[in-house]
Amino acid sequence: AQRVTQPEKLLSVFKGAPVELKCNYSYSGSPELFWYVQYSRQRLQLLLRHISRESIKGFTADLNKGETSFHLKKPFAQEEDSAMYYCALTNQAGTALIFGKGTTLSVSS
Amino acid sequence: IAGITQAPTSQILAAGRRMTLRCTQDMRHNAMYWYRQDLGLGLRLIHYSNTAGTTGKGEVPDGYSVSRANTDDFPLTLASAVPSQTSVYFCASSLTEKGTEAFFGQGTRLTVV
Repeated sequence: AQRVTQPEKLLSVFKGAPVELKCNYSYSGSPELFWYVQYSRQRLQLLLRHISRESIKGFTADLNKGETSFHLKKPFAQEEDSAMYYCALTNQAGTALIFGKGTTLSVSS
Repeated sequence: IAGITQAPTSQILAAGRRMTLRCTQDMRHNAMYWYRQDLGLGLRLIHYSNTAGTTGKGEVPDGYSVSRANTDDFPLTLASAVPSQTSVYFCASSLTEKGTEAFFGQGTRLTVV
């Protein structure tokens, strides 16, 4: 069965520290993986997708098929990065996104 | 302004009452979705529609129904609300169902008492 696991409910770091938000998945075949972010009082929005291999707001994520992971990383956290982050993949049937339970990132000065 | 709009923004509803959450998009997206967001459970798919005239069940469809009479609208109906349906509901749309960006509404906070 397809599943997305985000093991951390909350990640607290200091400004300037490196950040890694973990995401593991189970999927048969080649998954389409995404990271979505929800800032306080804002709607959920796409942060990045693995097929684009892009860096958005300093965040990157690499698909590791061997470890079935898609961890989100940023070398130096900023206070404005504080938000809820969701890892997601397209389900096997190709009908919708499956989300993990989310990780709250808190960056303090 | 192009986008996806939900109404109402919030609602307090008596148990047993019927309620329809509205969702409209003007991006001509084929696929639309309803999710509920609960603390510690993340976003769970309720129902989806890959194109006008078709709908499908998600992970938690019980107690909810949807219709997709046209491309733009995707209402979610609670036939007889129960307290466990207290949640934040998000509507979303995407151009196609697979591998493309999903755009989300601002959410509807529903409290069933």
